[in-house]
Parts: sequence; C-alpha cells; structure tokens
Amino acid sequence: AQSVSQHNHHVILSEAASLELGCNYSYGGTVNLFWYVQYPGQHLQLLLKYFSGDPLVKGIKGFEAEFIKSKFSFNLRKPSVQWSDTAEYFCAVTPNLSGGYNKLIFGAGTRLAVHP
Amino acid sequence: DTAVSQTPKYLVTQMGNDKSIKCEQNLGHDTMYWYKQDSKKFLKIMFSYNNKELIINETVPNRFSPKSPDKAHLNLHINSLELGDSAVYFCASSRGGSLGNEQFFGPGTRLTVL
Repeated sequence: AQSVSQHNHHVILSEAASLELGCNYSYGGTVNLFWYVQYPGQHLQLLLKYFSGDPLVKGIKGFEAEFIKSKFSFNLRKPSVQWSDTAEYFCAVTPNLSGGYNKLIFGAGTRLAVHP
Repeated sequence: DTAVSQTPKYLVTQMGNDKSIKCEQNLGHDTMYWYKQDSKKFLKIMFSYNNKELIINETVPNRFSPKSPDKAHLNLHINSLELGDSAVYFCASSRGGSLGNEQFFGPGTRLTVL
C-alpha cells in the first residue's frame, strides 16, 4: 500500500535556525506532492505543491521543498524559522492511480516548536 | 468569506447516539472530501464525492454515511457512535477530482464521544 513517512515527529528549534523536515513516499509511479501546515487550533493550509517541472518548489512564508525522484523524497526547508512557524506540518501525496481520483495520502505529521 | 465551513465546530455526545456534521463550500468546487484526524494527528481520507457521486470510499465502518444533496454540500452522518470515533473531522473541497488539484480544508469538527 502507498504510504508517506515523515521521519521527525517533534522538532524544536530556536528562532533563526534552519529547518529541514524529511518526507519519503513509497509509491513508485507518478505522484503529486504537497506540504500542508496546521497552526494551533486552525485548519490545514497548503504551503506548497509539486506537480512537474523544476523539482525545487517555492511556497508561501519562505518555505521551499525539493523533489528527489531517485530518493522518493520531498523534504521541506526554510533557512531561518520564526516563532510564528510553530505548527504541525504534513507531507501528502496523490499517487497516479487508475481512475485518477484526487486522494491525498498524508504522513503522520511533524510538530515544530520554535522558541524565541 | 468562509471558503469551506463546517458545523458544528465542537460536538460532545454519548456512546450509541447518532449525529451529523455538515459541510458547505462556496468555492464552486465539484469535489468534496471527508478526512478523519485521530488523537495522534494522523489524517486519513474517508470519503470523496464528485458532482454528488461517491468516488472514494475508504475502509470506513458503515455506521458512517456521507450524503451530498448538491455539489456545495457534503454531510457526514454517524450512527451508533463509539468511543473510537472521537477525532477531528475535516471537510475539504477541490476543483474537480483530478490528480493534483489543491484541496481546501474546512476548520474541522472536534467530536468527543463519552
């Protein structure tokens, strides 16, 4: 079965530190890739997405992610985090299955806490 | 300007009861979804409707019955609630059911079964 793995369940950083959150998926075919963020008490919001083209994707709020097909990875990065980045981050995949329906498969999430 | 809205936001009920959660989107999308987020924050799709037709039905107990009266609404009815149904339920919508179309999420409904 398709799955998405996020290696870090909890990450604690100080402000201005650099961030990299790992994401790997198990599906071998064509995929579309997403990172969503869930701020405390809020709903999921899209940070960035990859469909095709340049494997380095820029998102909102200074986030970026790199798709490395050979490693089945889509890691999220930010060079300098802020306290307001404290949130839960979810990697998600839509595998190109027959029927082509838009079924998001989520990783377990990474809780990021940024200390001032 | 709420894009995807859900009611109620919080729902506390006893085991064995039947309850419904409503979802509405004003984005003009024709595909809607229900996701369940458990206590460990793990998100899993339950159902998806495209133009009022069920297109995704994951392994969900048949106590859960989605209903889509029109493209803008997807309600979730749960019969005989169990303790394990306690979770946050998120509704989402997208423009079409095609791969990669961004899904917009509602604020969630926190269901607590006592």
